[in-house]
Amino acid sequence: NAGVTQTPKFQVLKTGQSMTLQCAQDMNHEYMSWYRQDPGMGLRLIHYSVGAGITDQGEVPNGYNVSRSTTEDFPLRLLSAAPSQTSVYFCASSAPKGTEAFFGQGTRLTVV
Amino acid sequence: QQQVKQSPQSLIVQKGGISIINCAYENTAFDYFPWYQQFPGKGPALLIAIRPDVSEKKEGRFTISFNKSAKQFSLHIMDSQPGDSATYFCAASIGGGATNKLIFGTGTLLAVQP
Repeated sequence: NAGVTQTPKFQVLKTGQSMTLQCAQDMNHEYMSWYRQDPGMGLRLIHYSVGAGITDQGEVPNGYNVSRSTTEDFPLRLLSAAPSQTSVYFCASSAPKGTEAFFGQGTRLTVV
Repeated sequence: QQQVKQSPQSLIVQKGGISIINCAYENTAFDYFPWYQQFPGKGPALLIAIRPDVSEKKEGRFTISFNKSAKQFSLHIMDSQPGDSATYFCAASIGGGATNKLIFGTGTLLAVQP
């Protein structure tokens, strides 16, 4: 029962470096999202997708790119990392009319 | 723009006590109110949810109380146990609990002391 799998679990980047956070789900969910979690700010939506080839911005999209070429995968790209992007990132998936979002275990990213 | 306000930020309860976490919302179009539980190093997981056509929902030791007129809802954990120590997030959405629709509160860190 894999559910939502995120890799890596931990990452340290230098300012200006780029990287991709991976997310894969095996529940055939159409909807996938990326959140960042910061102390005192809860979970904030970065980008989301309602199906392969369809993405849209959430509350805090600046500095991040996404694409959705398959139902299973939804990678998040940081083009030029900044210290303000130090956070814990969560990927989630759900059915379109579902009542539950399934989250991965998170990626803790530190930008120095 | 915080559409769902959650309090307290942290809470310490003795084993066997009642833990109460409160949330308030502004958008009267919200029609689904879930609570998520997050253990350290893990992702959030759905704990319990309610729709505004009922005033209370109970699942085991966990109860949601909903006050539509006051635009408030709360989570009550009865007989709190050390294993309940986690961060709790309330959320609200329109049209179900799909991941792109959820607006989360800022979270409450609960510590249940043995």
